[in-house]
Amino acid sequence: DTEVTQTPKHLVMGMTNKKSLKCEQHMGHRAMYWYKQKAKKPPELMFVYSYEKLSINESVPSRFSPECPNSSLLNLHLHALQPEDSALYLCASSLSLGSAYEQYFGPGTRLTVT
Amino acid sequence: AQTVTQSQPEMSVQEAETVTLSCTYDTSESDYYLFWYKQPPSRQMILVIRQEAYKQQNATENRFSVNFQKAAKSFSLKISDSQLGDAAMYFCAYRRGINYGQNFVFGPGTRLSVLP
Repeated sequence: DTEVTQTPKHLVMGMTNKKSLKCEQHMGHRAMYWYKQKAKKPPELMFVYSYEKLSINESVPSRFSPECPNSSLLNLHLHALQPEDSALYLCASSLSLGSAYEQYFGPGTRLTVT
Repeated sequence: AQTVTQSQPEMSVQEAETVTLSCTYDTSESDYYLFWYKQPPSRQMILVIRQEAYKQQNATENRFSVNFQKAAKSFSLKISDSQLGDAAMYFCAYRRGINYGQNFVFGPGTRLSVLP
């Protein structure tokens, strides 16, 4: 199983809502990532977890709150978002943080903030 | 800081023909990895091919091969016998080889169209 799954596929939320994105993998990977991708742009790294601990936070606003409850699951909690936060949110995982390891990407959640 | 440049925002190729996507990067490091990722429309990003900088031999994966010129800091992707399913956005990416947690530096991408 070389799959990273993400739910929901699409999400529309108002600026006062609270919602969560979910990412799951069962490949035994110990590093998991959140990326934000705007249309026709490359992914931008947001957060990195290694062995369920936050390793990297790329100066992401606090309205985005990541959580890694266990080694297979990664959540991204959203609160008080702005319209400019509308984007494709990608989750990825890799065996570990080592540079040689391939990152496996999920299909993404397309978020629209109204 | 490392940068990755893809000078061709869009390219097209006739089915069954060969196309080359260019990528150049800037780094002062000697140990690093280079990747080509493919992102089809509305589908997930997948790894196409990977090259370790310490390897002189160019990586090959079936119809995909790279031309890695370390001195010139060039890493082009050649797709042979192009198929309709090759239509996608292609991202070149760089990752430092030392220490853990070295993040990808992605290029801006090249959108490839395959014409029947």
